[in-house]
Amino acid sequence: DAMVIQNPRYQVTQFGKPVTLSCSQTLNHNVMYWYQQKSSQAPKLLFHYYDKDFNNEADTPDNFQSRRPNTSFCFLDIRSPGLGDAAMYLCATSHYAGGPNEQFFGPGTRLTVL
Amino acid sequence: GDSVTQMEGPVTLSEEAFLTINCTYTATGYPSLFWYVQYPGEGLQLLLKATKADDKGSNKGFEATYRKETTSFHLEKGSVQVSDSAVYFCALSDRQGGSEKLVFGKGTKLTVNP
Repeated sequence: DAMVIQNPRYQVTQFGKPVTLSCSQTLNHNVMYWYQQKSSQAPKLLFHYYDKDFNNEADTPDNFQSRRPNTSFCFLDIRSPGLGDAAMYLCATSHYAGGPNEQFFGPGTRLTVL
Repeated sequence: GDSVTQMEGPVTLSEEAFLTINCTYTATGYPSLFWYVQYPGEGLQLLLKATKADDKGSNKGFEATYRKETTSFHLEKGSVQVSDSAVYFCALSDRQGGSEKLVFGKGTKLTVNP
């Protein structure tokens, strides 16, 4: 089945220790998104790629970076995690072809910062 | 900017009760509207969508109608089940360049008791 896969599902890191979360998709979608979702809140878009074009949200901290080496994979790098970065991180994909399109979400990675 | 306002939760119902979760939006232009559902510990799943005024989205017994005159997209279900317990997010699409961003409401937690 075509899907969005996130690894790992649970990640524990230490304060200030860099961490990378990964997302892969078998949908061949041209857009990939990273959201941060804190407890009992709506997902907040961090950035997205349209093909290789990177689009950062204005309020995304510099501590968060992303890479998309190919169509299928996208990574979220947190350079120096703080306690406030503990959250669920959701990857989503969509395929833009000129009209309205829906986003398909992965199961998320729950990040704990000790 | 575009925004989505949905009713505050939590909402607690008995099985077979009628459900309404209100959602209103503010947007320039004519966005597509979505309801996403998030079960505990999981990512978001698209529940239903509507792409233009007077469209009705429906899925799994849930319905919502795109009302341009009242800028609303209320979610309804005639008879809820325990398995419908989840958090429901109303969202609109905000097209920017070659991709669409989702703007989410804050979410409404639904608990259905047997």
